[in-house]
Amino acid sequence: EPEVTQTPSHQVTQMGQEVILRCVPISNHLYFYWYRQILGQKVEFLVSFYNNEISEKSEIFDDQFSVERPDGSNFTLKIRSTKLEDSAMYFCASSEATGGQTQYFGPGTRLLVL
Amino acid sequence: QQQVKQSPQSLIVQKGGISIINCAYENTAFDYFPWYQQFPGKGPALLIAIRPDVSEKKEGRFTISFNKSAKQFSLHIMDSQPGDSATYFCAASISGNTPLVFGKGTRLSVIA
Repeated sequence: EPEVTQTPSHQVTQMGQEVILRCVPISNHLYFYWYRQILGQKVEFLVSFYNNEISEKSEIFDDQFSVERPDGSNFTLKIRSTKLEDSAMYFCASSEATGGQTQYFGPGTRLLVL
Repeated sequence: QQQVKQSPQSLIVQKGGISIINCAYENTAFDYFPWYQQFPGKGPALLIAIRPDVSEKKEGRFTISFNKSAKQFSLHIMDSQPGDSATYFCAASISGNTPLVFGKGTRLSVIA
Protein backbone atom coordinates (compact mmCIF):
# COMPACT_ATOMS: atom_id res chain seq x y z
CA GLU A 1 0.00 0.00 0.00
CA PRO A 2 1.40 3.43 -0.92
CA GLU A 3 2.47 5.56 2.01
CA VAL A 4 3.90 8.93 2.85
CA THR A 5 7.51 8.77 3.98
CA GLN A 6 9.50 11.34 5.94
CA THR A 7 13.16 11.86 6.72
CA PRO A 8 14.83 12.17 9.09
CA SER A 9 12.82 10.47 11.80
CA HIS A 10 14.60 12.53 14.45
CA GLN A 11 16.51 15.81 14.20
CA VAL A 12 18.35 17.61 16.97
CA THR A 13 19.53 21.13 16.24
CA GLN A 14 20.83 24.20 18.01
CA MET A 15 18.66 27.27 18.34
CA GLY A 16 19.18 29.60 15.38
CA GLN A 17 20.19 26.84 12.98
CA GLU A 18 18.36 26.00 9.78
CA VAL A 19 16.66 22.64 9.35
CA ILE A 20 15.08 20.98 6.35
CA LEU A 21 12.49 18.29 6.83
CA ARG A 22 11.81 16.04 3.89
CA CYS A 23 8.72 14.20 2.74
CA VAL A 24 7.87 11.93 -0.16
CA PRO A 25 4.10 12.10 -0.68
CA ILE A 26 2.06 9.30 -2.24
CA SER A 27 2.94 9.30 -5.92
CA ASN A 28 -0.39 10.22 -7.53
CA HIS A 29 -1.31 12.81 -4.92
CA LEU A 30 -1.19 16.48 -5.81
CA TYR A 31 -2.03 18.21 -2.52
CA PHE A 32 0.61 18.33 0.18
CA TYR A 33 0.45 19.52 3.76
CA TRP A 34 2.63 20.11 6.77
CA TYR A 35 1.23 19.83 10.28
CA ARG A 36 2.96 19.92 13.62
CA GLN A 37 2.20 18.41 16.99
CA ILE A 38 3.81 19.79 20.11
CA LEU A 39 4.28 17.01 22.65
CA GLY A 40 0.96 16.01 24.18
CA GLN A 41 -1.04 18.54 22.21
CA LYS A 42 -3.28 18.46 19.17
CA VAL A 43 -2.15 18.33 15.58
CA GLU A 44 -1.99 21.84 14.06
CA PHE A 45 -2.04 22.83 10.41
CA LEU A 46 0.94 24.75 9.07
CA VAL A 47 0.65 24.96 5.29
CA SER A 48 -0.85 23.35 2.21
CA PHE A 49 0.73 23.25 -1.24
CA TYR A 50 -0.73 22.61 -4.68
CA ASN A 51 0.49 23.21 -8.20
CA ASN A 52 3.87 24.45 -6.97
CA GLU A 53 2.49 27.14 -4.74
CA ILE A 54 1.15 27.62 -1.24
CA SER A 55 -2.64 27.31 -1.23
CA GLU A 56 -3.21 28.01 2.48
CA LYS A 57 -1.12 28.74 5.55
CA SER A 58 -1.81 29.22 9.22
CA GLU A 59 -0.62 31.99 11.49
CA ILE A 60 2.05 29.60 12.75
CA PHE A 61 3.63 29.54 9.31
CA ASP A 62 5.55 32.81 9.56
CA ASP A 63 8.53 34.11 7.59
CA GLN A 64 10.94 31.64 9.15
CA PHE A 65 9.13 28.77 7.41
CA SER A 66 9.19 27.90 3.74
CA VAL A 67 8.11 24.94 1.62
CA GLU A 68 9.37 23.65 -1.66
CA ARG A 69 8.86 20.84 -4.11
CA PRO A 70 12.39 20.64 -5.49
CA ASP A 71 11.69 17.71 -7.80
CA GLY A 72 8.86 15.41 -8.82
CA SER A 73 8.83 13.42 -5.61
CA ASN A 74 10.10 15.39 -2.61
CA PHE A 75 8.28 18.03 -0.57
CA THR A 76 10.33 19.93 1.98
CA LEU A 77 9.74 22.18 4.98
CA LYS A 78 12.55 24.57 5.86
CA ILE A 79 12.83 26.38 9.16
CA ARG A 80 15.39 29.13 8.70
CA SER A 81 16.31 30.04 12.26
CA THR A 82 14.96 27.54 14.72
CA LYS A 83 13.58 28.55 18.10
CA LEU A 84 13.09 26.46 21.20
CA GLU A 85 9.33 26.52 20.64
CA ASP A 86 9.76 24.88 17.22
CA SER A 87 10.43 21.61 19.03
CA ALA A 88 7.61 19.35 17.91
CA MET A 89 6.66 16.43 15.75
CA TYR A 90 6.24 17.54 12.14
CA PHE A 91 3.91 15.53 9.93
CA CYS A 92 3.66 15.63 6.19
CA ALA A 93 0.38 14.60 4.57
CA SER A 94 -0.89 14.26 1.04
CA SER A 95 -4.23 13.87 -0.69
CA GLU A 96 -5.58 13.22 -4.16
CA ALA A 97 -6.54 16.16 -6.33
CA THR A 98 -10.08 14.94 -6.94
CA GLY A 99 -12.53 12.45 -5.59
CA GLY A 100 -11.90 12.79 -1.90
CA GLN A 101 -10.48 14.69 0.99
CA THR A 102 -8.65 11.92 2.78
CA GLN A 103 -5.26 13.08 3.94
CA TYR A 104 -2.65 10.42 4.49
CA PHE A 105 -0.03 11.21 7.08
CA GLY A 106 3.61 10.25 7.22
CA PRO A 107 5.29 8.89 10.36
CA GLY A 108 6.64 12.31 11.31
CA THR A 109 9.96 13.95 12.10
CA ARG A 110 10.64 14.67 15.72
CA LEU A 111 12.49 17.98 15.91
CA LEU A 112 14.28 18.98 19.07
CA VAL A 113 15.74 22.47 19.29
CA LEU A 114 18.30 22.98 22.05
CA GLN B 1 -15.34 29.12 15.10
CA GLN B 2 -12.59 27.01 13.62
CA GLN B 3 -12.30 24.89 16.76
CA VAL B 4 -13.30 21.29 17.18
CA LYS B 5 -13.92 20.40 20.82
CA GLN B 6 -13.22 16.81 21.83
CA SER B 7 -14.02 14.92 25.02
CA PRO B 8 -13.07 13.15 27.15
CA GLN B 9 -9.35 13.85 27.34
CA SER B 10 -8.70 10.30 28.50
CA LEU B 11 -10.76 7.15 28.72
CA ILE B 12 -10.26 3.79 30.36
CA VAL B 13 -12.45 0.94 29.14
CA GLN B 14 -12.59 -2.71 30.03
CA LYS B 15 -11.81 -5.21 27.29
CA GLY B 16 -15.03 -6.00 25.45
CA GLY B 17 -16.66 -2.73 26.45
CA ILE B 18 -17.78 0.21 24.33
CA SER B 19 -15.55 3.26 23.97
CA ILE B 20 -17.31 6.52 23.15
CA ILE B 21 -15.53 9.74 22.18
CA ASN B 22 -17.41 12.93 21.41
CA CYS B 23 -16.67 15.97 19.29
CA ALA B 24 -18.47 19.23 18.64
CA TYR B 25 -17.90 21.93 16.07
CA GLU B 26 -19.14 25.45 15.35
CA ASN B 27 -18.34 26.08 11.71
CA THR B 28 -21.35 24.93 9.66
CA ALA B 29 -19.18 25.01 6.53
CA PHE B 30 -17.41 21.85 7.72
CA ASP B 31 -18.58 18.92 5.65
CA TYR B 32 -16.00 16.21 6.19
CA PHE B 33 -15.41 14.62 9.58
CA PRO B 34 -12.64 12.03 9.89
CA TRP B 35 -11.36 10.19 12.92
CA TYR B 36 -7.67 9.45 13.17
CA GLN B 37 -5.92 6.90 15.36
CA GLN B 38 -2.40 7.59 16.56
CA PHE B 39 -0.02 5.20 18.28
CA PRO B 40 2.98 6.61 20.20
CA GLY B 41 5.72 7.81 17.87
CA LYS B 42 3.61 7.31 14.76
CA GLY B 43 1.63 9.57 12.46
CA PRO B 44 -2.15 9.82 12.60
CA ALA B 45 -3.84 7.09 10.56
CA LEU B 46 -7.33 7.53 9.14
CA LEU B 47 -9.78 5.27 10.91
CA ILE B 48 -13.18 6.24 9.54
CA ALA B 49 -14.81 9.37 8.13
CA ILE B 50 -18.32 10.70 7.58
CA ARG B 51 -20.04 13.44 5.62
CA PRO B 52 -23.12 15.28 6.91
CA ASP B 53 -25.53 13.65 4.46
CA VAL B 54 -25.66 10.52 6.63
CA SER B 55 -26.26 10.16 10.35
CA GLU B 56 -24.20 7.04 10.93
CA LYS B 57 -21.38 5.12 9.32
CA LYS B 58 -20.08 1.76 10.46
CA GLU B 59 -16.87 -0.03 9.57
CA GLY B 60 -16.28 -3.19 11.53
CA ARG B 61 -16.18 -2.35 15.24
CA PHE B 62 -15.99 1.39 14.57
CA THR B 63 -19.08 3.58 14.16
CA ILE B 64 -19.42 7.32 13.67
CA SER B 65 -22.69 8.91 14.76
CA PHE B 66 -23.38 12.36 13.32
CA ASN B 67 -25.92 14.90 14.55
CA LYS B 68 -26.01 17.80 12.12
CA SER B 69 -28.49 19.93 14.05
CA ALA B 70 -26.46 19.65 17.24
CA LYS B 71 -23.16 19.99 15.36
CA GLN B 72 -21.80 16.96 17.12
CA PHE B 73 -20.28 13.67 16.08
CA SER B 74 -18.97 10.74 18.00
CA LEU B 75 -16.87 7.63 17.61
CA HIS B 76 -18.04 4.36 19.09
CA ILE B 77 -15.64 1.44 19.39
CA MET B 78 -17.52 -1.76 20.06
CA ASP B 79 -15.90 -4.77 21.74
CA SER B 80 -12.86 -2.64 22.64
CA GLN B 81 -9.55 -4.52 22.62
CA PRO B 82 -6.18 -3.77 24.23
CA GLY B 83 -4.82 -3.19 20.70
CA ASP B 84 -7.22 -0.25 20.40
CA SER B 85 -5.25 1.58 23.08
CA ALA B 86 -4.11 4.74 21.29
CA THR B 87 -4.89 8.43 20.99
CA TYR B 88 -7.92 9.24 18.89
CA PHE B 89 -8.39 12.57 17.15
CA CYS B 90 -11.54 13.87 15.57
CA ALA B 91 -11.12 16.41 12.81
CA ALA B 92 -13.15 18.49 10.41
CA SER B 93 -12.61 20.25 7.13
CA ILE B 94 -14.45 22.15 4.45
CA SER B 95 -15.13 20.61 1.07
CA GLY B 96 -12.10 20.09 -1.11
CA ASN B 97 -8.49 19.63 -0.20
CA THR B 98 -8.53 22.02 2.74
CA PRO B 99 -6.71 21.90 6.08
CA LEU B 100 -7.96 19.58 8.77
CA VAL B 101 -8.90 21.14 12.10
CA PHE B 102 -8.17 18.62 14.82
CA GLY B 103 -9.64 18.11 18.25
CA LYS B 104 -7.26 17.85 21.20
CA GLY B 105 -7.32 14.08 21.23
CA THR B 106 -8.52 11.33 23.55
CA ARG B 107 -6.10 8.87 25.05
CA LEU B 108 -7.88 5.52 25.18
CA SER B 109 -6.64 2.70 27.38
CA VAL B 110 -8.35 -0.67 27.07
CA ILE B 111 -7.56 -2.89 30.03
CA ALA B 112 -7.99 -6.64 30.26
